[in-house]
Formats: sequence, structure tokens, C-alpha cells
Amino acid sequence: AQKITQTQPGMFVQEKEAVTLDCTYDTSDPSYGLFWYKQPSSGEMIFLIYQGSYDQQNATEGRYSLNFQKARKSANLVISASQLGDSAMYFCAMRETGGYNKLIFGAGTRLAVHP
Amino acid sequence: DVKVTQSSRYLVKRTGEKVFLECVQDMDHENMFWYRQDPGLGLRLIYFSYDVKMKEKGDIPEGYSVSREKKERFSLILESASTNQTSMYLCASSLYGQSNEKLFFGSGTQLSVL
Repeated sequence: AQKITQTQPGMFVQEKEAVTLDCTYDTSDPSYGLFWYKQPSSGEMIFLIYQGSYDQQNATEGRYSLNFQKARKSANLVISASQLGDSAMYFCAMRETGGYNKLIFGAGTRLAVHP
Repeated sequence: DVKVTQSSRYLVKRTGEKVFLECVQDMDHENMFWYRQDPGLGLRLIYFSYDVKMKEKGDIPEGYSVSREKKERFSLILESASTNQTSMYLCASSLYGQSNEKLFFGSGTQLSVL
């Protein structure tokens, strides 16, 4: 069965420093997609970044990058130059096989950025 | 921009009540989803729909039903609310087909069942 694991319930980082949020996944499907979402205290889920299993390069979106290590089945999110507004819950998710764009989510990591 | 609107941000209901959570999207998306979010468990899929009047069970459908009479609207129904259904409920929508299609989420409904 497909599974997403986020082992860090909480993390903190100093403002302007980089932080890595861990995500490992388990699937037997050779074709899959990995997503990261941010959830601020307002509750809305904000899409950050996507990585396809066949993508040759690691995905980047502004200050977000995805450290994709296929052999290790890991898809860690790297946030560079942290800002106070980055304090939020972060969820890693994987598209399930079978279509319909269903996502399965990890338990999430709460990031606190300190000034 | 895609907008997914959930009718209530906070809802308080009594045990045994029938509860309707409404979700509307404005971008003609085929797929719509209902997730439940609990601390330490992340988001879990309750039901999804890929077309009008079509629905499929997710991972935790027990105690819930859904309705999709129009493409833009997807309703989650708690037939007889119980305290263990106290949770944050998130609605999402997406286009059908492309593997990199992201889900667009509403702001969530925090439901408390007393």
C-alpha cells in the first residue's frame, strides 16, 4: 500500500536560515507524483511544489526546492532564507495510483520560524 | 484563480444531528474531494467524485455520505453526527487527467460535535 511518512512533528528555525522538512514515501508504482502543501493558521492548504517520478531535475519554486532521492524514496522540502511567514504546518503528499488525482498525505510537520 | 468555497468556517452540532457541509468550486473542475484532518494523522480521504452524480469511497467513508447534483457543488453529509466526527473538514477540487494536477483546497470547516 502507498504511504507517506513525515517523521518530524515539529521543527524550528531561525529567520533567514535554511530548513529541511523530511518526507519518505512507499509505492510500487513506477509512475507517481509528490506534492508539498503549506497550511498556515488560517487553515487553507497552499500548494508549494510538485515532483514527478520521471522528472530528471529536482523541482524548485522560488525559495522552495525539493530534494528528490528516488532510490531512497525521499522527497524532502528545503526552504531557503526562512521568513516569519513560513511558520505553518507542512504536508507531503503523493498521488495515488488509479487516477482521479487522489492524494495521500503524511501527518505533517509544524515549522516555527524564530526571529 | 480557482476558488473553492466551504459554506461554514466553524460549526457546532449535537450528537445525532444530521449535518451538511457544502463545498462549491468555480473553475469547472471534474474532480472534487472531501478530506478530514486530525492532529498527528494528516489528511484522510473520506469521499471523492469525478463527475456529476458519481462518487467513490475514500479511506474512511463510514458514517458519511456525499452528494454531487451539480458539477460545481459537492456536499458531505453526516447522517447522525457523533463526537468522533469532531474534526477539520477540507474540500478540494482538481482537473481530471494530468498527473501533475494539484488539488485546490477550501479554507476548511472546523466541526465540533457535542
